[in-house]
Amino acid sequence: NAGVTQTPKFQVLKTGQSMTLQCAQDMNHEYMSWYRQDPGMGLRLIHYSVGAGITDQGEVPNGYNVSRSTTEDFPLRLLSAAPSQTSVYFCASSYSGSLATHSGQYFGPGTRLTVT
Amino acid sequence: QKEVEQDPGPLSVPEGAIVSLNCTYSNSAFQYFMWYRQYSRKGPELLMYTYSSGNKEDGRFTAQVDKSSKYISLFIRDSQPSDSATYLCAMSLKRGAQKLVFGQGTRLTINP
Repeated sequence: NAGVTQTPKFQVLKTGQSMTLQCAQDMNHEYMSWYRQDPGMGLRLIHYSVGAGITDQGEVPNGYNVSRSTTEDFPLRLLSAAPSQTSVYFCASSYSGSLATHSGQYFGPGTRLTVT
Repeated sequence: QKEVEQDPGPLSVPEGAIVSLNCTYSNSAFQYFMWYRQYSRKGPELLMYTYSSGNKEDGRFTAQVDKSSKYISLFIRDSQPSDSATYLCAMSLKRGAQKLVFGQGTRLTINP
């Protein structure tokens, strides 16, 4: 199993540009989520999905869109990049329901995004 | 005030020392408590997962939850240089670690 994969690893954008961060998992997890990590702030939840076709907002959703057309993929779209979106972005997945006992979220390696 | 507070450190201790890492939280509805370890430029990886108050031990690691005080701890015994990392506490209202709320993370260095 590859686990949770993210592409690209690094990206530099100019203010106003748009892009999509890719996330995929091969563990058949129902639950997927996106976090951003900033110095001194820990990880903050951007958007999450409890299954294909179902998404919802987390703590810091503004400026980001998501969709979940398959169980495996959960892309994060930046609509019009701003310097405040400079961060490290992590995708995570986990089981839900009865399989969720004693399991946490599995995180990808992250995408380092700089907006100039 | 943040829902979950964690001393960011940095914390530096000699090899073999016992390390204590702590988090406090304000939302008494949190039911599930986790500790993640994050090496530099890597994604967090789950270390410990606990539910309800009490202790859970896994090798050199012990997780402790005191829901009455809204306080959780992670103890590392016989610390090794390979334990040098950032440790993040995380909490959830729901089983399966959905919608995690994280502390700021504590950067730990174990000196040989």
